[in-house]
Amino acid sequence: DSGVTQTPKHLITATGQRVTLRCSPRSGDLSVYWYQQSLDQGLQFLIHYYNGEERAKGNILERFSAQQFPDLHSELNLSSLELGDSALYFCASSSLDRGVDNEQFFGPGTRLTVL
Amino acid sequence: AQKITQTQPGMFVQEKEAVTLDCTYDTSDPSYGLFWYKQPSSGEMIFLIYQGSYDQQNATEGRYSLNFQKARKSANLVISASQLGDSAMYFCAMREISDYKLSFGAGTTVTVRA
Repeated sequence: DSGVTQTPKHLITATGQRVTLRCSPRSGDLSVYWYQQSLDQGLQFLIHYYNGEERAKGNILERFSAQQFPDLHSELNLSSLELGDSALYFCASSSLDRGVDNEQFFGPGTRLTVL
Repeated sequence: AQKITQTQPGMFVQEKEAVTLDCTYDTSDPSYGLFWYKQPSSGEMIFLIYQGSYDQQNATEGRYSLNFQKARKSANLVISASQLGDSAMYFCAMREISDYKLSFGAGTTVTVRA
């Protein structure tokens, strides 16, 4: 158990809908990262927050948004869902925002299926 | 351009034997870190081992060791004495000093045979 929690574990929804994925980082970690794992794109970085501030954006679609709240939990909002958004969404946390040895601890992931 | 390349989509290994998973990387940053993660069929990402670009010695963690060849830009994972529970997908990843994120390779599926 990494100490990172994600809810829900599974989510099945229809095209055009909007969903919210939730992540609670490990106790004391200030950084939260979101990654998407799909069959065609592999593991892709979406966005990074540190202590409530957005630090970096990756291949995140405009239909997707995220935020980190004062209690450090984070939410990833996905709207106008398409079939291609079906993927495993991971949240990871770390204590720092920089540093090459700053290990990221991954949550169990949320498996999103868009029908 | 791909930052991490894993050229072996799948590998079979006999129980109790060693297996080497290849990973090459591309960066111009002077400082970077290399990570290996294991993803079993249940889906979670499990951290295995870390190697810093300035580390003089190859990293080891139990049955996992990292064969780091900086000049060749390779960071191969060696799993010794394979066990059935080692069957999983393995990802090589890199974090550069200039970046926040981890860049992942495509992964290698390892199947351990009894």
